[in-house]
Amino acid sequence: LAKTTQPISMDSYEGQEVNITCSHNNIATNDYITWYQQFPSQGPRFIIQGYKTKVTNEVASLFIPADRKSSTLSLPRVSLSDTAVYYCLVGETNFGNEKLTFGTGTRLTIIP
Amino acid sequence: EAGVTQFPSHSVIEKGQTVTLRCDPISGHDNLYWYRRVMGKEIKFLLHFVKESKQDESGMPNNRFLAERTGGTYSTLKVQPAELEDSGVYFCASSQGPATGWNTEAFFGQGTRLTVV
Repeated sequence: LAKTTQPISMDSYEGQEVNITCSHNNIATNDYITWYQQFPSQGPRFIIQGYKTKVTNEVASLFIPADRKSSTLSLPRVSLSDTAVYYCLVGETNFGNEKLTFGTGTRLTIIP
Repeated sequence: EAGVTQFPSHSVIEKGQTVTLRCDPISGHDNLYWYRRVMGKEIKFLLHFVKESKQDESGMPNNRFLAERTGGTYSTLKVQPAELEDSGVYFCASSQGPATGWNTEAFFGQGTRLTVV
C-alpha cells in the first residue's frame, strides 16, 4: 500500500480555513484517497474520499492534483470542535488486502 | 440507526489473565475490522472478516490473540494470556463493502481501552 506523509501537527485560529496536505508519492492507479477524523476517546470517522481533481461535501473539500502524488484536505472556517487528528489514507481494493492503513495523522488544534 | 458498538469500554486485567472484547457491527455490514493503537503508536490493523470468514489476519501479533465472528454478526477478540504490551485501545470497524473501496465508508466503534497490569 502507498505510504502517506503528513505534518505531525498544525495550529489554527477559529474562523480560518485550514489546509492539510498529504504526500503519497507511490500511489497506484487504482488507489483512492480517503480522509478520516478522530476526536479524543472516539474511533476514526470518515470525512471525504476522492480519486482526482476536487471533491466537496458538507464537511470539507479535497483537492487532488493531476499527478495524484499529494492531496489537500481543506476545512472551511474551522471552529474549536474541529480540533482532532486527521488521517490521510490511500488504499485500493485487492482481494485479501482490503484494509485501511493509518499513518501518524495530523493533530489539528484550533485556537480560540 | 445504531452505530458500531464495542464492549467493554474499559478493561483492566492482570498479566496472564484472559480478556474478551466484543464488537457489534452495523446491521448488514459484511466487512468487520479490528484495529489496535498502543500508547504513542499508530493505529494498526489486526484482521478483517467478510461475514464469518477471516479475509486477512496478517496484523494479528501472535497466537495469544483469537478473533471470531460466528454467524457473521458480532465479533469477539480474545487475548489469552494477556501481556503488558497488549495494553492499548482496540477499535472495531464495519463497512458494507471493503473499507478501501470507492464510496465505502468504514464506521468505527468508540474502542475498548485495555490495560494490562
